[in-house]
Amino acid sequence: GAVVSQHPSWVICKSGTSVKIECRSLDFQATTMFWYRQFPKQSLMLMATSNEGSKATYEQGVEKDKFLINHASLTLSTLTVTSAHPEDSSFYICSARGTRDRGDSPLHFGNGTRLTVT
Amino acid sequence: RKEVEQDPGPFNVPEGATVAFNCTYSNSASQSFFWYRQDCRKEPKLLMSVYSSGNEDGRFTAQLNRASQYISLLIRDSKLSDSATYLCVVNRGTGRRALTFGSGTRLQVQP
Repeated sequence: GAVVSQHPSWVICKSGTSVKIECRSLDFQATTMFWYRQFPKQSLMLMATSNEGSKATYEQGVEKDKFLINHASLTLSTLTVTSAHPEDSSFYICSARGTRDRGDSPLHFGNGTRLTVT
Repeated sequence: RKEVEQDPGPFNVPEGATVAFNCTYSNSASQSFFWYRQDCRKEPKLLMSVYSSGNEDGRFTAQLNRASQYISLLIRDSKLSDSATYLCVVNRGTGRRALTFGSGTRLQVQP
């Protein structure tokens, strides 16, 4: 149980285009979704936290107008990287916490999206 | 100071060896602690939660020292398949909070 599906697994796009990444909870309702980013040989860094039906909370230094997050339903959250540039090339991973998860529960992770901007 | 600090390694050990990783965290309000494993270019996968009394899962033993804000992971009888990066992870405090990840310790088990 507690499967999180993330699509696409990888994407290559040209500079200036926008890319949408989807994160779905397949067998549970995700009240909270977290979006992380990982550059090579670095840690996962939290970008934003989104709760279903409300605006996302962004971490310091993350541009909310560049990384648009929508969490319109309990099973789907999307991250759109707008006007992508080569420095946005990274591994983006979503994770989710369900209605039955306690605050101290580990997160359920998607399989990640490797974005390369040329 | 980083919220979660780990020795990046790499630790190169022979099969069958016992290896230990350490981690320190700065947020004294953290309540939940985990070790995750991450293979190259993949998402992190939960290895085990870490409890105050210490806990064991097969060849893996985790310890927590709240006073020193220190977490450890011991792997006995290392297998080739244990080669990965091990991430020390803590939550940000009470409630439904995000997790903070260490940068990971890379383990390479050699035949």
